[in-house]
Amino acid sequence: QLQLQEAGPGLVKPSETLSLTCAVSGSSISRDGYYWGWIRQPPGKGLEWIGSIHYTGSTYYNPSLKSRATIFVDTSKDQFSLRLRSVTAADTAMYYCASLVPVAGVNRGYFDHWGQGTLVTVSS
Amino acid sequence: DIQMTQSPSTLSASVGDRVTITCRASQSISIWLAWYQQKPGKAPKLLIYRASSLESGVPSRFSGSGSGTEFTLTISSLQPDDFATYYCQHYDSYSLTFGGGTRVEIK
Repeated sequence: QLQLQEAGPGLVKPSETLSLTCAVSGSSISRDGYYWGWIRQPPGKGLEWIGSIHYTGSTYYNPSLKSRATIFVDTSKDQFSLRLRSVTAADTAMYYCASLVPVAGVNRGYFDHWGQGTLVTVSS
Repeated sequence: DIQMTQSPSTLSASVGDRVTITCRASQSISIWLAWYQQKPGKAPKLLIYRASSLESGVPSRFSGSGSGTEFTLTISSLQPDDFATYYCQHYDSYSLTFGGGTRVEIK
């Protein structure tokens, strides 16, 4: 059974960089046909896709976050990571990692397994 | 980007009611739509993909329909475990977007 687990600091100062890692277990991150994504949810609000990565390193980003977000993969550790630069209070959210099944093309699919999420607060 | 609009934003219903949630896309997305259920403090859970395909293990009282720009999620007989927030998500392009969510609360 595929499982994902987010890890990272729960508190980040404004203007600094948010860094999170998602550990994949129960399957290899190099599993053919899967992409790996980050989604966030501000307190009391809806879901926002941040970006996705394929194990080959191909990345896809939400246009609204593309200038600040970087996603990279470490296949030797079966994990992928998110860095979000120059954070503000608006980046305070629950951050989820999830596996994406690309049934309709490159990064075009749905999220079938999710991590439990990790709350990141941006505050001085 | 394709915008997804859900209605209503909140729905009050009783156990046993038939419930319908609507999701509209700003342009045609064929059948490339998924539905998720999220309970407080929990990660979303996939219910439906490809507009009408039921994810394994999801009760058959959940069903999805639609194509193009208008989609519906129906719960045929609302159960106590179904009180939650529901989101649609399109995957017609690589830039994925979710609807704003529909909260189903107890009447």
